[in-house]
Amino acid sequence: AQKVTQAQTEISVVEKEDVTLDCVYETRDTTYYLFWYKQPPSGELVFLIRRNSFDEQNEISGRYSWNFQKSTSSFNFTITASQVVDSAVYFCALSEIGYGGATNKLIFGTGTLLAVQP
Amino acid sequence: EAGVTQSPTHLIKTRGQQATLRCSPISGHTSVYWYQQALGLGLQFLLWYDEGEERNRGNFPPRFSGRQFPNYSSELNVNALELEDSALYLCASNILGGVTEAFFGQGTRLTVV
Repeated sequence: AQKVTQAQTEISVVEKEDVTLDCVYETRDTTYYLFWYKQPPSGELVFLIRRNSFDEQNEISGRYSWNFQKSTSSFNFTITASQVVDSAVYFCALSEIGYGGATNKLIFGTGTLLAVQP
Repeated sequence: EAGVTQSPTHLIKTRGQQATLRCSPISGHTSVYWYQQALGLGLQFLLWYDEGEERNRGNFPPRFSGRQFPNYSSELNVNALELEDSALYLCASNILGGVTEAFFGQGTRLTVV
């Protein structure tokens, strides 16, 4: 069965600290996609990144970076020099491929609440 | 370009009533997904529609149903509401044929009293 585990329920850091959010996934598919979404208090899920199972290159986007390691089935997310505006719930998700080769559904982890204190 | 829009933003219903939630996808997107985010249960997949057809369904009772219209907008209906149906219902859209990221709406907060 497919599963996403975010073991960190809540993390609290002080502004400017670096923080890493962990994500471990399980799947028997050879082709799959992994995502990170941010959910601020407003509720809308904001897409951050998509990574396919054949691309293990790490990615950096400004203060955000992602480390994908198939050997450990992990897709961790690091925020460098955190800011108060980074405070949100962060979800890691795994896509299940279905009809037409499209995303059948997203399987979400339980989320990590990040609180950045000023 | 408008994003995914959902209405209403908030909905309060009494146990046993029916609720109807609406979603308009991003222009050009043919797939609509519904997710339930209940307190303590995380984000759970409900339904996936594409080209007017139900393509996949999550582990929810039949009183959760929906449809997709010719303009690709979608409706989620919840019959015989129960207190535990209180949740944030999120709609997402995406194009068919590519595994792109799904874009989410702001959600409908359903409260059953």
